[in-house]
Amino acid sequence: DGGITQSPKYLFRKEGQNVTLSCEQNLNHDAMYWYRQDPGQGLRLIYYSQIVNDFQKGDIAEGYSVSREKKESFPLTVTSAQKNPTAFYLCASNKGGLDTQYFGPGTRLTVL
Amino acid sequence: AQTVTQSQPEMSVQEAETVTLSCTYDTSENNYYLFWYKQPPSRQMILVIRQEAYKQQNATENRFSVNFQKAAKSFSLKISDSQLGDTAMYFCAFMKPRDNYGGSQGNLIFGKGTKLSVKP
Repeated sequence: DGGITQSPKYLFRKEGQNVTLSCEQNLNHDAMYWYRQDPGQGLRLIYYSQIVNDFQKGDIAEGYSVSREKKESFPLTVTSAQKNPTAFYLCASNKGGLDTQYFGPGTRLTVL
Repeated sequence: AQTVTQSQPEMSVQEAETVTLSCTYDTSENNYYLFWYKQPPSRQMILVIRQEAYKQQNATENRFSVNFQKAAKSFSLKISDSQLGDTAMYFCAFMKPRDNYGGSQGNLIFGKGTKLSVKP
């Protein structure tokens, strides 16, 4: 089955620790995206990548980092510099350009 | 900058009835795309419907249809014959065609969502 997987589903970390969220897709999509969702808010774009080995900051990139070494994978690292990291994180992908984005199931990160 | 506004934080509807969710947006672009996504309690984001701004005909997908008013910058979602499984958060989203530097094409801007409850 083709799709987007995110792991883990739930993640707990202590304050001050870096943590990496996984996003993998087997849809042969060129573009991948990371969004953050907070209660009562819509999704906000953190980082996006339209091609392997290239990525751009979104609207709220501070405190986050990404890599895109493989077409299928776009991991997101939440660093200790992110002041309020507890949130629901969604990964998405598409063929690029103006193609519809499709989403993974999300990761709930809680920083204690 | 583009913005998307959903003015109804919560709505409820009786099963089998029809409900309309509102969305307005602000842009100076002429060509763009609009979307409705559904997020049920599982939190999986699911595409409901997509509308291209250059198409005058309103998009439909089974029980879901939109009323796209380009001049008014309005994009409402109508759900007919509501079912219990329609209970979810609904997000309206605008797809940016490009930014001033030629990038950002395909990035989505989301509204804050409308929580829809379908009651038996």
